[in-house]
Amino acid sequence: GAVVSQHPSRVICKSGTSVKIECRSLDFQATTMFWYRQFPKKSLMLMATSNEGSKATYEQGVEKDKFLINHASLTLSTLTVTSAHPEDSSFYICSADLGGGNTIYFGEGSWLTVV
Amino acid sequence: QKEVEQNSGPLSVPEGAIASLNCTYSDRVSQSFFWYRQYSGKSPELIMSIYSNGDKEDGRFTAQLNKASQYVSLLIRDSQPSDSATYLCAVKGDAGNMLTFGGGTRLMVKP
Repeated sequence: GAVVSQHPSRVICKSGTSVKIECRSLDFQATTMFWYRQFPKKSLMLMATSNEGSKATYEQGVEKDKFLINHASLTLSTLTVTSAHPEDSSFYICSADLGGGNTIYFGEGSWLTVV
Repeated sequence: QKEVEQNSGPLSVPEGAIASLNCTYSDRVSQSFFWYRQYSGKSPELIMSIYSNGDKEDGRFTAQLNKASQYVSLLIRDSQPSDSATYLCAVKGDAGNMLTFGGGTRLMVKP
């Protein structure tokens, strides 16, 4: 079946540095991927919609200069958290859509801890 | 503003019982409905999808959709302790492919 892979699963970085999270669709092409953020015991919050070959669409309140999204190919989207701060520590999850009303699949998620 | 509402719980049921999880949505043109299970610290995993009114069964799980009343439910028969998790209801509209999630219901199945 369709699989979405995320890497790294866990990352610890120092405050002020940048960290990149990758999201890959392994056996299908995904023109659209989604990036979510989840705080403990809270539901998923959509951050942005990543479109292959064009700029990402960010949800209200999400800083596009801080959360850089690149969707350079049909199988890869990346989220870069720039100048990370402790409040950016969270669980980041990507998802990809087969399209045509099909199901959206999630990656395994990435735990980011900024110290 | 599209909204998907779920009771946060926790919903506590004894092992072997039927767990009933409910979800309501505000956007009448919603077309696709999904139930995801999320264990603590893990990513959501798809349990069921349903697109038309009525029931859809898959093993111990039954999804029920009533578009007129704008609700979708998930029944889990013969609940097991391993079913203890947060269940997320998600709705997809008729345009675009973005999912709107409910806040999730925490289910606890007690041995």
